Amino acid sequence: AQSVTQPDIHITVSEGASLELRCNYSYGATPYLFWYVQSPGQGLQLLLKYFSGDTLVQGIKGFEAEFKRSQSSFNLRKPSVHWSDAAEYFCAVGARSFQKLVFGTGTRLLVSP
Amino acid sequence: DVKVTQSSRYLVKRTGEKVFLECVQDMDHENMFWYRQDPGLGLRLIYFSYDVKMKEKGDIPEGYSVSREKKERFSLILESASTNQTSMYLCASSLVTADTQYFGPGTRLTVL
Repeated sequence: AQSVTQPDIHITVSEGASLELRCNYSYGATPYLFWYVQSPGQGLQLLLKYFSGDTLVQGIKGFEAEFKRSQSSFNLRKPSVHWSDAAEYFCAVGARSFQKLVFGTGTRLLVSP
Repeated sequence: DVKVTQSSRYLVKRTGEKVFLECVQDMDHENMFWYRQDPGLGLRLIYFSYDVKMKEKGDIPEGYSVSREKKERFSLILESASTNQTSMYLCASSLVTADTQYFGPGTRLTVL
């Protein structure tokens, strides 16, 4: 069965510093991978997704993620964090043969001045 | 632009009441989903539907039912609300089952 692990519940980053949020998945074949962001009181918004091809994926708001098959990881990165990036971030995994996505438990990002 | 709307942002109900949460999408998507979100547990799938009048149980269907009479509308029903159903409920839709899901703003339900 598919599963997703986001090992960090909370992360605090200074404004202007770089960010990396970790995501590890469990699935036997090549998965579909997603990162979503949820601002307080809002629904989830897609940041980026990986289906195939180039393993470095660019998304909205200056985010990128890299698929590493050997590590079963899909970590999210941003070179310089802005205060407006404070939110909760969810990694999700899907596959062509499955009818649903499986979400991680989320990482809450706090941005300090 | 893609749009998923949910009937209420906040809802307060009493134990034992029947509760309806409505979700509408305007993207002609085949698939619709209901999740509940609780701190530390992430998103858990309650039910999903891949076509009109079709439904599949998700990971936590107990205490819930759903209805999909029209393609654009997917309703979540709490037959007899209980306090442990206090949560944030999120609706989503997608064109293909394993592809991008588009989410509504959520309904925060409190059961007293």
